[in-house]
Amino acid sequence: DQQVKQNSPSLSVQEGRISILNCDYTNSMFDYFLWYKKYPAEGPTFLISISSIKDKNEDGRFTVFLNKSAKHLSLHIVPSQPGDSAVYFCAASPRSYNTDKLIFGTGTRLQVFP
Amino acid sequence: EADIYQTPRYLVIGTGKKITLECSQTMGHDKMYWYQQDPGMELHLIHYSYGVNSTEKGDLSSESTVSRIRTEHFPLTLESARPSHTSQYLCASRTPGTVVGDTQYFGPGTRLTVL
Repeated sequence: DQQVKQNSPSLSVQEGRISILNCDYTNSMFDYFLWYKKYPAEGPTFLISISSIKDKNEDGRFTVFLNKSAKHLSLHIVPSQPGDSAVYFCAASPRSYNTDKLIFGTGTRLQVFP
Repeated sequence: EADIYQTPRYLVIGTGKKITLECSQTMGHDKMYWYQQDPGMELHLIHYSYGVNSTEKGDLSSESTVSRIRTEHFPLTLESARPSHTSQYLCASRTPGTVVGDTQYFGPGTRLTVL
């Protein structure tokens, strides 16, 4: 039973346009969400996070939106750059339950073309 | 910048061999983790440690074992490798504290193939 779902395995976007990556979760205990980026032959690197007390968090070109009622979050990249081409993983954690375990989605492969 | 290292990066080995995947971090993090990831699938937590002499099994059952004798070192061992163990193994460590925003830093991974 997958608790964190990334239903789009791949996304292709033109350079300069917006990339929107989506993530859905089923466990209402999740209250902390993260996005990781992974290049081939490297480990995932942290990109941005959001707590459930917020509905938006912004860091430069990256913005994460959280819709708790829909159990949905999305990562917006504006403007997209070729260097953003990577696999993006959504992760969730029930932090307030005194655990730091992360549940990951299957990832979305983003390709940004010129 | 996080400093977490894994060796070997790639390993092809025959069935029945004993293998140890190495993971080291130089940040003094108490919390360390092992994840397993099959291609196109999510990362699954298989082991974690909250400090020296602390090891716990993760959410995904694994035949591997781990040890934590030193803070900086968290090796994973398979006593008898099988083709079903073929996967990518990712080690991670975590910044301490409970402040929102602390994160896990991942190593580059070991891609294991068991023939």
